[in-house]
Amino acid sequence: SQQGEEDPQALSIQEGENATMNCSYKTSINNLQWYRQNSGRGLVHLILIRSNEREKHSGRLRVTLDTSKKSSSLLITASRAADTASYFCATAFLGNDYKLSFGAGTTVTVRA
Amino acid sequence: EAGVAQSPRYKIIEKRQSVAFWCNPISGHATLYWYQQILGQGPKLLIQFQNNGVVDDSQLPKDRFSAERLKGVDSTLKIQPAKLEDSAVYLCASSFSVEFGNEQFFGPGTRLTVL
Repeated sequence: SQQGEEDPQALSIQEGENATMNCSYKTSINNLQWYRQNSGRGLVHLILIRSNEREKHSGRLRVTLDTSKKSSSLLITASRAADTASYFCATAFLGNDYKLSFGAGTTVTVRA
Repeated sequence: EAGVAQSPRYKIIEKRQSVAFWCNPISGHATLYWYQQILGQGPKLLIQFQNNGVVDDSQLPKDRFSAERLKGVDSTLKIQPAKLEDSAVYLCASSFSVEFGNEQFFGPGTRLTVL
């Protein structure tokens, strides 16, 4: 079963605004990863955060992880039209050989 | 560095026909995955290979799906016979090492439509 659940399902913002999406999961993890999928394309890895990390940055992306609440958030700052895509969180843990469990994703539309 | 290659990109078949997908992972990546992604959902793992051995095929519908990775490099996924509910995007991914967190690299996918 898919462990990660993203919220909201869809998000529409104006170019230049920030976009925030959340991921909740059910069991213990070793790391959580965020991926982006543009329409008709494969998934692209954005960022990996380990269970002993609380926050990580990559360019305009900021990811937080709260293992006590079993949740993560992805913030995209100063959004651009090219950020229009679906965003998926995926959890991995050692007991499952680090196999990724994906949520259903958040669809982000950035309006020009 | 070349990415994960998949072919074909699109395939339309009638139900009960057979179809095969091909994947060539990133050079040096020992682990290869096949995922099924139904519209509006996240990818679901079908099978995982480590070199040319199967690590996990618990989610693969073995009565109709088969996959192989004979020389530990490229892989094929076959569906025979196809059902309407097999309409989905089939994604291939590879990773260098699961020990480092298992960041996966995905191919563009094959969009299958079963009529």
